[in-house]
Amino acid sequence: DAGVTQSPTHLIKTRGQQVTLRCSPKSGHDTVSWYQQALGQGPQFIFQYYEEEERQRGNFPDRFSGHQFPNYSSELNVNALLLGDSALYLCASRFRTGGAGTDTQYFGPGTRLTVL
Amino acid sequence: AQSVTQPDIHITVSEGASLELRCNYSYGATPYLFWYVQSPGQGLQLLLKYFSGDTLVQGIKGFEAEFKRSQSSFNLRKPSVHWSDAAEYFCAVGAGNQGGKLIFGQGTELSVKP
Repeated sequence: DAGVTQSPTHLIKTRGQQVTLRCSPKSGHDTVSWYQQALGQGPQFIFQYYEEEERQRGNFPDRFSGHQFPNYSSELNVNALLLGDSALYLCASRFRTGGAGTDTQYFGPGTRLTVL
Repeated sequence: AQSVTQPDIHITVSEGASLELRCNYSYGATPYLFWYVQSPGQGLQLLLKYFSGDTLVQGIKGFEAEFKRSQSSFNLRKPSVHWSDAAEYFCAVGAGNQGGKLIFGQGTELSVKP
């Protein structure tokens, strides 16, 4: 049973560029969330996708956007990169059983983004 | 506002000694609580979770945690630490009525002395 996968593993960009990160959820899962983890910090919730729509959003600017595809995979896009966007970006998936919050999120290994 | 506090940034214990990592939360409704572990350069692995029922929950790798509503705490324990337990530990609360958003603490880094 494949877990959550993310690509690429590492990425280096320069300020002002745009980046796209990809996530494939765990088999059987239909909901994907994205988190940003800065060095030495806990993960911060960016947004969550279900049925190809953004359902919840954390306190992140509009430069952060996403997409979910019919096969439940997801992309995170960040425009106009800033030095402060350097972080580990984690994708988590779960199956929405109807008990919101009661099911478990499984995390991928993350994409390490460095902005120079 | 919902929040999670892990008061200890770094803890060092000797191999074989017992361990307790502290977690305090602030959440208006019944909390869904989680402990995750992160090894260097890795994603997060779920150790255990509390949704309801018995306030003492058992997890993987010999970990357990106790939910104490009166103290707004969910401390993680292990009776005997192994060198392989060295990692970063995160406590999180699930915003249950908002569809699964997790709010994490800052983390506690555990070092294990031989």
